[in-house]
Amino acid sequence: TQLLEQSPQFLSIQEGENLTVYCNSSSVFSSLQWYRQEPGEGPVLLVTVVTGGEVKKLKRLTFQFGDARKDSSLHITAAQTGDTGLYLCAGEGMDSNYQLIWGAGTKLIIKP
Amino acid sequence: EAQVTQNPRYLITVTGKKLTVTCSQNMNHEYMSWYRQDPGLGLRQIYYSMNVEATDKGDVPEGYKVSRKEKRNFPLILESPSPNQTSLYFCASSLAGRLNQPQHFGDGTRLSIL
Repeated sequence: TQLLEQSPQFLSIQEGENLTVYCNSSSVFSSLQWYRQEPGEGPVLLVTVVTGGEVKKLKRLTFQFGDARKDSSLHITAAQTGDTGLYLCAGEGMDSNYQLIWGAGTKLIIKP
Repeated sequence: EAQVTQNPRYLITVTGKKLTVTCSQNMNHEYMSWYRQDPGLGLRQIYYSMNVEATDKGDVPEGYKVSRKEKRNFPLILESPSPNQTSLYFCASSLAGRLNQPQHFGDGTRLSIL
C-alpha cells in the first residue's frame, strides 16, 4: 500500500517568515499534486508536478518534486496571513487503480 | 461558473434514518468521487465513478451507496446512518484519464449522526 506522509502536521509562524512543508513516501509516484484548503471550503489545486527534480513557482510558493519521484516539498517565502490553511498533497501511484493517494495534511497558521 | 455543488451543507440526523447527499457538476467531467475528511486522517475516498453507470469502491465504502445515472450527478446515500459516519464529506470531479488532472471539490457537507 502506498502512503504519503506530510510533515509537520501543524505549523504556526509569524508573518514574513519562511517555511517548508514536506510530503514523503517510500513509493514512486507518477505525479503529485498540492492543494490548499481553507475553513468551510473544499481543497483547491495549487500545482501538479510530474517530472523528477521538477521545480514550479507560484508567486511566493515554490514546489519541488524529488529526483526519485518519492517526495515533494512546498516552500513559502515571506509568509502572509492569507497563506493560512490546510496544505494537502496527493499522489498518483504507479498502480493507481484510478485513486489518488492523499496525505493527512499540514495545518499552517500565519500570525500577523 | 464552473463548480461542484453539494447539498445539504449541514445536516444533523439520527441513527438509522436514510439520507442522501447530492452532488452536481457543470463541467462535463467524467470522473467523480466522494471523500470523507476526519481530523488527522486526511481525505479518504468512499466511492468513485469513471463515467455514467460505472462506479467502484474506494478505501472506506462500508455503509455507503452511490449511483451515477447521469454524467453531472453523483449522489451519496447512507441507507442506515450510524454515529461513526459523522464526518465532513466532499464530492469532487475531474476530467477522465490520468489522475494528474485537477480535482474540483465542492464546499463540503458536514454530517452529524446522533
